[in-house]
Amino acid sequence: AQSVTQPDIHITVSEGASLELRCNYSYGATPYLFWYVQSPGQGLQLLLKYFSGDTLVQGIKGFEAEFKRSQSSFNLRKPSVHWSDAAEYFCAVGADNQGGKLIFGQGTELSVKP
Amino acid sequence: SQTIHQWPATLVQPVGSPLSLECTVEGTSNPNLYWYRQAAGRGLQLLFYSIGIDQISSEVPQNLSASRPQDRQFILSSKKLLLSDSGFYLCAWNRDRGHLEQFFGPGTRLTVL
Repeated sequence: AQSVTQPDIHITVSEGASLELRCNYSYGATPYLFWYVQSPGQGLQLLLKYFSGDTLVQGIKGFEAEFKRSQSSFNLRKPSVHWSDAAEYFCAVGADNQGGKLIFGQGTELSVKP
Repeated sequence: SQTIHQWPATLVQPVGSPLSLECTVEGTSNPNLYWYRQAAGRGLQLLFYSIGIDQISSEVPQNLSASRPQDRQFILSSKKLLLSDSGFYLCAWNRDRGHLEQFFGPGTRLTVL
């Protein structure tokens, strides 16, 4: 069955420290991969996406993610976290044969210590 | 550019009352449309999706229904709300071909008392 796993429910990092949020997927087709961010009480905003080509993709707000097919992973990284990065982060997977539907992970809540 | 609107932003309703949430997309045509629900502290649950007018699929059995009266309008309804219907409702759109990314509306916070 298709699935997306975000192993960490909650992560706390200090401001200025590096960040890595994990995402693992199980998908039969060639996946399209996404990371979204959600601030409290708001909708989801697309951070970055991967379809093909270079496996290291750059997104908005200084985030990047690396697609590793051998590990079925698409981890999100940021070299230096800012207090404004505190939010919920969702990984999602889609494919051409799914009619546009995406499968979302359960999310990782990021807290940032001053 | 495309924009997506949801109305209302917040809603407090008594148990057993009806519900109508509206989602409207501007700047595109024939989008795929989606309704999600987020319960407190949980991820996104896909409720309905639509690939066209009169083409709506339900993902989970529940007392909610969806309709698409116009190409870019998606309505979530209930005849009688339950306490368990409380949550944050998100509408989203995308294309079924191309890059597939979904674009989300600002959401509606529903509290059923």
